[in-house]
Amino acid sequence: AQRVTQPEKLLSVFKGAPVELKCNYSYSGSPELFWYVQYSRQRLQLLLRHISRESIKGFTADLNKGETSFHLKKPFAQEEDSAMYYCALKTSYDKVIFGPGTSLSVIP
Amino acid sequence: DSGVTQTPKHLITATGQRVTLRCSPRSGDLSVYWYQQSLDQGLQFLIQYYNGEERAKGNILERFSAQQFPDLHSELNLSSLELGDSALYFCASSVGDRTHEQFFGPGTRLTVL
Repeated sequence: AQRVTQPEKLLSVFKGAPVELKCNYSYSGSPELFWYVQYSRQRLQLLLRHISRESIKGFTADLNKGETSFHLKKPFAQEEDSAMYYCALKTSYDKVIFGPGTSLSVIP
Repeated sequence: DSGVTQTPKHLITATGQRVTLRCSPRSGDLSVYWYQQSLDQGLQFLIQYYNGEERAKGNILERFSAQQFPDLHSELNLSSLELGDSALYFCASSVGDRTHEQFFGPGTRLTVL
């Protein structure tokens, strides 16, 4: 079955602390993984995608096919990082599957 | 605003009724995606259209249908509404049919009473 799981509904970290948002997927084909973010009162927007291997706003994510994971990491959390984060999987049939989301709260 | 627009913002209706949600993609985008977001189900992909044709299908109920018109705007039709259809319905658009980045609209909040 195709599935994306994000085990933490809520995650609180102190400003300046490292943050890791977990994402695991289940898919037998070749996956394309993404992280989307929704800041308060803003639209859902793409944060990063695994194929571009880029760092956006200090966030990185590495696709680990062995562990079927795509965890999002940032070494030093900032208050403006507080938001809802969604991990998403695009299948080879172009279906898009979103995880349930993790609400990140950065405590000043 | 050249971003994705959705109308109406809010919709309140009764069970058994039928509603139409409208989405206008970003200028130049050919693909439109529809999602349903509810508290218990999270963000669920419903359907994708590319340049007027259905491209991919997700967990869309038979009571729901969508289409994309020649001017590329899209409509999502929800019929025989049930209480459980109450949700936020998002539209997103992208340039191509396999393009990775989707741009989301603000959503339409549907309440079925």
